[in-house]
Amino acid sequence: EAGVAQSPRYKIIEKRQSVAFWCNPISGHATLYWYQQILGQGPKLLIQFQNNGVVDDSQLPKDRFSAERLKGVDSTLKIQPAKLEDSAVYLCASSSLSPRGSYGYTFGSGTRLTVV
Amino acid sequence: GENVEQHPSTLSVQEGDSAVIKCTYSDSASNYFPWYKQELGKGPQLIIDIRSNVGEKKDQRIAVTLNKTAKHFSLHITETQPEDSAVYFCASNFNKFYFGSGTKLNVKP
Repeated sequence: EAGVAQSPRYKIIEKRQSVAFWCNPISGHATLYWYQQILGQGPKLLIQFQNNGVVDDSQLPKDRFSAERLKGVDSTLKIQPAKLEDSAVYLCASSSLSPRGSYGYTFGSGTRLTVV
Repeated sequence: GENVEQHPSTLSVQEGDSAVIKCTYSDSASNYFPWYKQELGKGPQLIIDIRSNVGEKKDQRIAVTLNKTAKHFSLHITETQPEDSAVYFCASNFNKFYFGSGTKLNVKP
């Protein structure tokens, strides 16, 4: 089974520039998540999609971050304009759901963003 | 919302010794508790999980225990090996996942 694919692996941009990350979840996983992981901390949920609808974006800084999941498969996360404090690893994860909860919760390798 | 606290933040053990990492959670509705291992440059990988209707689960050298009354759960690694060196995260889940701050485990050969 192929895992969660993310690209690019690394990105360096100047502050105020824009950047986009791409995620392809595990085939058949209806739920997709974007996390921000700052160095030395645990992952923090930015947004959760169920198919192509947003379930939770309460911690997404909507003035500069946006995300979409067209057709309920791939997803892109965009930052515009970037700030220095956005430097982090951006992780995508996907899972399937059952009445008992999430199954097969799998992370991608992440995109390491450095804002200079 | 849920609050997950994880201790210790760093742990250094000698190869062959045991390692224990502890987490506490605040939301009594949480019903799923996974543990993740994150190696440098990689995403977190699920290593073991436990649901709230179970008190203990074991998989070879790794075990997890859950005390629902006290709202804490622990990861136990026995006979540690250098390849166990990584950052370990606990998490709790009801409607969404909340992660601990991580434990950097260093196994000295």
